[in-house]
Amino acid sequence: NAGVMQNPRHLVRRRGQEARLRCSPMKGHSHVYWYRQLPEEGLKFMVYLQKENIIDESGMPKERFSAEFPKEGPSILRIQQVVRGDSAAYFCASSPRLPGVTGSGNTIYFGEGSWLTVV
Amino acid sequence: QQQVKQSPQSLIVQKGGISIINCAYENTAFDYFPWYQQFPGKGPALLIAIRPDVSEKKEGRFTISFNKSAKQFSLHIMDSQPGDSATYFCAASIGTSGSRLTFGEGTQLTVNP
Repeated sequence: NAGVMQNPRHLVRRRGQEARLRCSPMKGHSHVYWYRQLPEEGLKFMVYLQKENIIDESGMPKERFSAEFPKEGPSILRIQQVVRGDSAAYFCASSPRLPGVTGSGNTIYFGEGSWLTVV
Repeated sequence: QQQVKQSPQSLIVQKGGISIINCAYENTAFDYFPWYQQFPGKGPALLIAIRPDVSEKKEGRFTISFNKSAKQFSLHIMDSQPGDSATYFCAASIGTSGSRLTFGEGTQLTVNP
């Protein structure tokens, strides 16, 4: 019973390059979330997606960042023209259905993260 | 209004002692309050969670106390063990509008043997 799978676990990019982070949700989960954790800080919500739809992207930076969750395949968080300030751990999470539905609570399960270092 | 304030930033406890971590929130629309445990290099793992219709929830050595009027909630770890050494995050969300969790800043707990 595999958990949320993220890859790569560690990624090093030079300033100006692109970073692509992938996330496969738990089996049976159709809701995916991306969070960012800066060093010594808590996690900050970035985006919430369902298959082929972005539901809430209120936490995404306005430029250079994009996310998708296609009908087939993993969710992708894409960061274009990376800068040093993008260095962080990026966590993906998934849930089986809309949290808050009776009986489900808001139980979302996190992956082990992708650590991006921009040099 | 979306903030969740967590304290202390770090905590050192002797084995067998009680670890207490506190959180306060402002948004009265929050209706789900989970605690996550994170080990270095790992993702956060759900530890225990509470809804505001109860004042306390206990699971093993972990207890959440919730004070709705004060807009505060806390995590108590009884009989703390060295294996509990980790970073703990409180969080809050509005249940019916999605699972956008607002996290506290985290507490680094060290349990000395």
